[in-house]
Amino acid sequence: GAVVSQHPSRVICKSGTSVKIECRSLDFQATTMFWYRQFPKQSLMLMATSNEGSKATYEQGVEKDKFLINHASLTLSTLTVTSAHPEDSSFYICSAQGAGNEKLFFGSGTQLSVL
Amino acid sequence: RKEVEQDPGPFNVPEGATVAFNCTYSNSASQSFFWYRQDCRKEPKLLMSVYSSGNEDGRFTAQLNRASQYISLLIRDSKLSDSATYLCVVNRGNKLVFGAGTILRVKS
Repeated sequence: GAVVSQHPSRVICKSGTSVKIECRSLDFQATTMFWYRQFPKQSLMLMATSNEGSKATYEQGVEKDKFLINHASLTLSTLTVTSAHPEDSSFYICSAQGAGNEKLFFGSGTQLSVL
Repeated sequence: RKEVEQDPGPFNVPEGATVAFNCTYSNSASQSFFWYRQDCRKEPKLLMSVYSSGNEDGRFTAQLNRASQYISLLIRDSKLSDSATYLCVVNRGNKLVFGAGTILRVKS
């Protein structure tokens, strides 16, 4: 089946630094990518939806200047957490969807810990 | 009210037991329904889609009641490997909305 690669799997950083997370679709063209965040014992919360070549659409309450999303190609989307703070510590997961295909393929997630 | 509600559990059951999870959703316009399984600190994995007529996949049976906006998952003959968090998922347009999950622990 289709594979989505997400890197890094774990990041520990100091408060104030920026962290970039990559999500790649390996054997299909991902026209749409979704970024989720999951706090312990809570549901996956959709942060934003990105379509290749256009600006991401952010969910209510998600700061677009804080969480920069780039979807410059059909196989790569990146999420950059700018000036990370301890409250940004969470599990971030991407998922990718091909054109006309409702099935989602998930990355393996990134555990971000901000000290 | 959350868009997708689930009993968080945990459900602690012995091997071989039958266990059922329920889920309610608030958006009557939802057309697609799924059960995902998530292991700790891993990505969710699609367990099965849920169809109006109900569907079965091996030991797993899913049911949908559109009138009540209710979805269920039945697991028969539980295995130790079934221990995980089960996520009820519905669509909102082209997006998926996840429930917070129900924890299942199967013990020998």
